[in-house]
Amino acid sequence: KAGVTQTPRYLIKTRGQQVTLSCSPISGHRSVSWYQQTPGQGLQFLFEYFSETQRNKGNFPGRFSGRQFSNSRSEMNVSTLELGDSALYLCASSLGRDRITYEQYFGPGTRLTVT
Amino acid sequence: QQQVKQSPQSLIVQKGGISIINCAYENTAFDYFPWYQQFPGKGPALLIAIRPDVSEKKEGRFTISFNKSAKQFSLHIMDSQPGDSATYFCAASRLDNAGKSTFGDGTTLTVKP
Repeated sequence: KAGVTQTPRYLIKTRGQQVTLSCSPISGHRSVSWYQQTPGQGLQFLFEYFSETQRNKGNFPGRFSGRQFSNSRSEMNVSTLELGDSALYLCASSLGRDRITYEQYFGPGTRLTVT
Repeated sequence: QQQVKQSPQSLIVQKGGISIINCAYENTAFDYFPWYQQFPGKGPALLIAIRPDVSEKKEGRFTISFNKSAKQFSLHIMDSQPGDSATYFCAASRLDNAGKSTFGDGTTLTVKP
Protein backbone atom coordinates (compact mmCIF):
# COMPACT_ATOMS: atom_id res chain seq x y z
CA LYS A 1 0.00 0.00 0.00
CA ALA A 2 1.28 3.45 -0.83
CA GLY A 3 1.93 5.70 2.13
CA VAL A 4 0.69 9.20 2.81
CA THR A 5 1.79 11.59 0.11
CA GLN A 6 2.09 15.33 0.40
CA THR A 7 2.62 17.88 -2.31
CA PRO A 8 4.54 19.97 -2.83
CA ARG A 9 7.49 18.88 -0.71
CA TYR A 10 9.04 22.33 -0.63
CA LEU A 11 7.53 25.75 -1.06
CA ILE A 12 8.83 29.29 -0.82
CA LYS A 13 6.31 32.08 -0.49
CA THR A 14 6.37 35.78 0.24
CA ARG A 15 4.74 37.36 3.27
CA GLY A 16 1.11 38.24 2.54
CA GLN A 17 0.62 35.54 -0.07
CA GLN A 18 -1.54 32.49 0.38
CA VAL A 19 -0.63 28.84 -0.03
CA THR A 20 -2.44 25.53 -0.52
CA LEU A 21 -0.92 22.23 0.56
CA SER A 22 -2.23 18.85 -0.47
CA CYS A 23 -2.36 15.48 1.26
CA SER A 24 -3.37 12.10 -0.11
CA PRO A 25 -4.03 9.59 2.68
CA ILE A 26 -3.40 5.88 2.61
CA SER A 27 -6.04 4.10 0.56
CA GLY A 28 -9.05 3.33 2.75
CA HIS A 29 -8.16 5.85 5.42
CA ARG A 30 -10.92 8.35 6.10
CA SER A 31 -9.34 10.55 8.77
CA VAL A 32 -6.76 13.17 7.88
CA SER A 33 -5.04 15.34 10.47
CA TRP A 34 -2.72 18.26 9.91
CA TYR A 35 0.14 19.32 12.16
CA GLN A 36 2.62 22.17 12.11
CA GLN A 37 6.17 21.33 13.18
CA THR A 38 8.64 24.05 14.15
CA PRO A 39 11.84 23.94 16.20
CA GLY A 40 10.38 26.26 18.80
CA GLN A 41 6.83 24.93 19.16
CA GLY A 42 7.28 21.28 18.26
CA LEU A 43 4.35 19.43 16.71
CA GLN A 44 1.13 21.42 16.99
CA PHE A 45 -2.26 20.08 15.95
CA LEU A 46 -4.02 22.15 13.31
CA PHE A 47 -7.20 20.27 12.44
CA GLU A 48 -8.67 16.88 11.60
CA TYR A 49 -11.09 15.93 8.89
CA PHE A 50 -13.21 12.83 8.78
CA SER A 51 -15.61 12.04 5.94
CA GLU A 52 -15.35 15.59 4.58
CA THR A 53 -16.22 17.17 7.96
CA GLN A 54 -13.88 19.00 10.27
CA ARG A 55 -13.95 16.97 13.45
CA ASN A 56 -11.32 18.78 15.52
CA LYS A 57 -9.59 22.11 15.40
CA GLY A 58 -6.45 23.29 17.15
CA ASN A 59 -5.57 26.74 18.42
CA PHE A 60 -4.56 28.40 15.20
CA PRO A 61 -5.90 31.63 13.71
CA GLY A 62 -8.58 31.62 11.06
CA ARG A 63 -5.94 32.15 8.39
CA PHE A 64 -5.43 28.41 8.58
CA SER A 65 -8.20 26.42 6.97
CA GLY A 66 -8.69 23.06 5.39
CA ARG A 67 -11.06 20.79 3.62
CA GLN A 68 -11.45 17.16 2.70
CA PHE A 69 -12.81 15.74 -0.50
CA SER A 70 -15.02 12.72 -1.07
CA ASN A 71 -11.95 10.59 -1.92
CA SER A 72 -10.48 11.55 1.51
CA ARG A 73 -7.77 13.72 -0.03
CA SER A 74 -7.29 16.88 1.98
CA GLU A 75 -5.97 20.35 1.43
CA MET A 76 -4.96 23.01 3.87
CA ASN A 77 -4.79 26.67 3.05
CA VAL A 78 -2.93 29.46 4.77
CA SER A 79 -3.88 32.97 3.79
CA THR A 80 -1.95 36.19 4.38
CA LEU A 81 1.26 34.36 5.16
CA GLU A 82 3.45 35.59 8.00
CA LEU A 83 7.13 34.89 8.61
CA GLY A 84 6.14 32.77 11.61
CA ASP A 85 4.23 30.39 9.35
CA SER A 86 7.52 28.96 8.13
CA ALA A 87 7.38 25.34 9.23
CA LEU A 88 7.11 21.73 8.21
CA TYR A 89 3.43 20.93 7.66
CA LEU A 90 2.65 17.29 8.29
CA CYS A 91 -0.38 15.34 7.28
CA ALA A 92 -1.36 12.12 9.02
CA SER A 93 -4.00 9.63 8.02
CA SER A 94 -5.77 6.93 9.97
CA LEU A 95 -8.47 4.41 9.33
CA GLY A 96 -11.19 6.29 11.18
CA ARG A 97 -13.45 3.26 11.15
CA ASP A 98 -16.64 3.75 13.09
CA ARG A 99 -15.47 7.20 14.14
CA ILE A 100 -12.63 5.65 16.09
CA THR A 101 -9.20 6.48 14.81
CA TYR A 102 -6.28 4.45 15.84
CA GLU A 103 -2.83 4.57 14.43
CA GLN A 104 -1.75 7.66 12.58
CA TYR A 105 0.57 7.44 9.61
CA PHE A 106 2.45 10.57 8.69
CA GLY A 107 3.49 11.85 5.32
CA PRO A 108 6.94 13.34 4.66
CA GLY A 109 5.63 16.87 5.11
CA THR A 110 5.71 20.07 3.11
CA ARG A 111 8.49 22.45 4.06
CA LEU A 112 7.07 25.99 3.78
CA THR A 113 9.41 28.94 3.90
CA VAL A 114 7.94 32.43 4.09
CA THR A 115 10.26 35.29 3.14
CA GLN B 1 -4.40 20.44 30.73
CA GLN B 2 -3.35 19.52 27.25
CA GLN B 3 0.38 19.36 27.85
CA VAL B 4 2.63 16.40 27.44
CA LYS B 5 6.06 16.94 28.97
CA GLN B 6 8.96 14.93 27.55
CA SER B 7 12.47 14.47 28.88
CA PRO B 8 15.34 14.52 28.30
CA GLN B 9 15.65 16.93 25.40
CA SER B 10 18.69 15.05 24.14
CA LEU B 11 20.31 11.75 24.96
CA ILE B 12 23.63 10.17 24.07
CA VAL B 13 23.99 6.42 24.53
CA GLN B 14 26.72 3.95 23.65
CA LYS B 15 25.95 1.17 21.20
CA GLY B 16 24.40 -1.73 23.05
CA GLY B 17 23.16 0.45 25.88
CA ILE B 18 19.62 1.20 27.01
CA SER B 19 17.96 4.45 25.98
CA ILE B 20 15.17 5.72 28.23
CA ILE B 21 12.84 8.59 27.36
CA ASN B 22 10.13 9.78 29.73
CA CYS B 23 6.82 11.55 29.26
CA ALA B 24 4.23 12.91 31.66
CA TYR B 25 0.71 13.99 30.82
CA GLU B 26 -1.92 16.02 32.63
CA ASN B 27 -5.24 15.21 31.00
CA THR B 28 -6.68 12.09 32.65
CA ALA B 29 -9.04 11.67 29.69
CA PHE B 30 -6.10 10.56 27.53
CA ASP B 31 -6.17 6.83 26.90
CA TYR B 32 -3.89 6.29 23.93
CA PHE B 33 -0.13 6.86 24.11
CA PRO B 34 1.96 6.35 20.97
CA TRP B 35 5.64 6.92 20.39
CA TYR B 36 6.99 8.16 17.09
CA GLN B 37 10.45 8.09 15.55
CA GLN B 38 11.50 10.81 13.15
CA PHE B 39 14.58 10.92 10.96
CA PRO B 40 15.77 14.17 9.36
CA GLY B 41 13.73 15.05 6.30
CA LYS B 42 11.05 12.49 7.11
CA GLY B 43 7.69 12.53 8.81
CA PRO B 44 7.24 10.86 12.20
CA ALA B 45 6.74 7.10 12.02
CA LEU B 46 4.66 5.21 14.57
CA LEU B 47 6.95 3.04 16.66
CA ILE B 48 4.81 1.54 19.38
CA ALA B 49 1.69 2.53 21.31
CA ILE B 50 0.01 1.60 24.57
CA ARG B 51 -3.40 1.87 26.15
CA PRO B 52 -3.74 2.34 29.93
CA ASP B 53 -5.26 -1.08 30.53
CA VAL B 54 -1.74 -2.54 30.43
CA SER B 55 1.39 -1.43 32.27
CA GLU B 56 3.92 -2.54 29.68
CA LYS B 57 4.09 -3.34 26.00
CA LYS B 58 7.09 -4.74 24.19
CA GLU B 59 7.83 -4.90 20.49
CA GLY B 60 11.29 -6.16 19.64
CA ARG B 61 13.86 -3.88 21.27
CA PHE B 62 11.25 -1.23 22.10
CA THR B 63 9.22 -1.26 25.33
CA ILE B 64 6.67 1.18 26.69
CA SER B 65 6.16 1.30 30.43
CA PHE B 66 3.00 2.98 31.66
CA ASN B 67 2.17 4.27 35.16
CA LYS B 68 -1.44 5.41 35.22
CA SER B 69 -1.42 6.72 38.80
CA ALA B 70 1.64 8.87 38.14
CA LYS B 71 0.38 9.84 34.67
CA GLN B 72 3.73 8.92 33.21
CA PHE B 73 4.95 6.65 30.45
CA SER B 74 8.36 5.90 29.08
CA LEU B 75 10.08 4.37 26.08
CA HIS B 76 12.96 1.97 26.58
CA ILE B 77 15.20 1.04 23.67
CA MET B 78 17.24 -2.02 24.50
CA ASP B 79 20.55 -2.79 22.79
CA SER B 80 20.56 0.66 21.19
CA GLN B 81 22.10 0.83 17.72
CA PRO B 82 23.54 3.74 15.70
CA GLY B 83 20.56 3.33 13.33
CA ASP B 84 18.29 4.25 16.23
CA SER B 85 19.75 7.76 16.21
CA ALA B 86 16.70 9.93 15.56
CA THR B 87 14.23 12.22 17.27
CA TYR B 88 11.59 10.48 19.36
CA PHE B 89 8.22 11.98 20.20
CA CYS B 90 5.69 10.78 22.72
CA ALA B 91 2.06 11.68 22.19
CA ALA B 92 -1.26 11.35 23.96
CA SER B 93 -4.85 11.44 22.87
CA ARG B 94 -8.24 9.97 23.54
CA LEU B 95 -8.61 6.67 21.74
CA ASP B 96 -11.94 7.76 20.30
CA ASN B 97 -10.29 10.96 19.11
CA ALA B 98 -6.78 9.86 18.22
CA GLY B 99 -6.79 12.13 15.20
CA LYS B 100 -6.10 14.99 17.59
CA SER B 101 -2.85 14.12 19.32
CA THR B 102 -0.85 16.20 21.77
CA PHE B 103 2.87 15.73 21.32
CA GLY B 104 5.86 16.05 23.60
CA ASP B 105 8.69 18.32 22.52
CA GLY B 106 10.86 15.46 21.30
CA THR B 107 14.11 13.80 22.37
CA THR B 108 17.11 13.69 20.07
CA LEU B 109 18.84 10.35 20.56
CA THR B 110 22.41 9.80 19.46
CA VAL B 111 23.80 6.28 19.69
CA LYS B 112 27.60 6.26 19.52
CA PRO B 113 29.28 3.26 17.87
